Amino acid sequence: GAVVSQHPSWVICKSGTSVKIECRSLDFQATTMFWYRQFPKQSLMLMATSNEGSKATYEQGVEKDKFLINHASLTLSTLTVTSAHPEDSSFYICSGGGNEKLFFGSGTQLSVL
Amino acid sequence: GENVEQHPSTLSVQEGDSAVIKCTYSDSASNYFPWYKQELGKGPQLIIDIRSNVGEKKDQRIAVTLNKTAKHFSLHITETQPEDSAVYFCAASIRSNYQLIWGAGTKLIIKP
Repeated sequence: GAVVSQHPSWVICKSGTSVKIECRSLDFQATTMFWYRQFPKQSLMLMATSNEGSKATYEQGVEKDKFLINHASLTLSTLTVTSAHPEDSSFYICSGGGNEKLFFGSGTQLSVL
Repeated sequence: GENVEQHPSTLSVQEGDSAVIKCTYSDSASNYFPWYKQELGKGPQLIIDIRSNVGEKKDQRIAVTLNKTAKHFSLHITETQPEDSAVYFCAASIRSNYQLIWGAGTKLIIKP
């Protein structure tokens, strides 16, 4: 299957700071990438759809000014959690489509103190 | 909109036995049904998928069956092993293979 690389795998930050998460498709080009959030023991919740070269499409209830998404190239999408607060602590996962299948990164555990 | 229900939420089976996880979907236009395995602290891993023009697909110990009339699909794992312990998610898609509606997940526990 295709490989999606996500970094960092975990990050701890102070409240009020910003955190950037990178998602790269290593062996395919992804015109569309997706960002999910997952709480413990729950399913994946789609946050936004990232389109290369254009603005991201956010799901209802997701603050676009808080979760900044940039998809500058066909292999890289970034999610920046701005002015993070403890309630933003969660597991964030990116995914990209290749060969008509969806592949996921390894996830980023964000802990905001 | 499309809704996917997954059962059971937890499944405990003896090592070597078979495990079956079932999902139902609401929109008859759904045409792609992947299954993902997620281990603790990791992203979901695609393990098998099936498209609406196929009734069954098998890959070694894993198989998926699809009943379009009843709008349900199932994951079958035979000869279960400890490394099969994980959370399994089903999903369904209409418009695109990339935009998925997810089931709630099943925690599979393999007892030694």
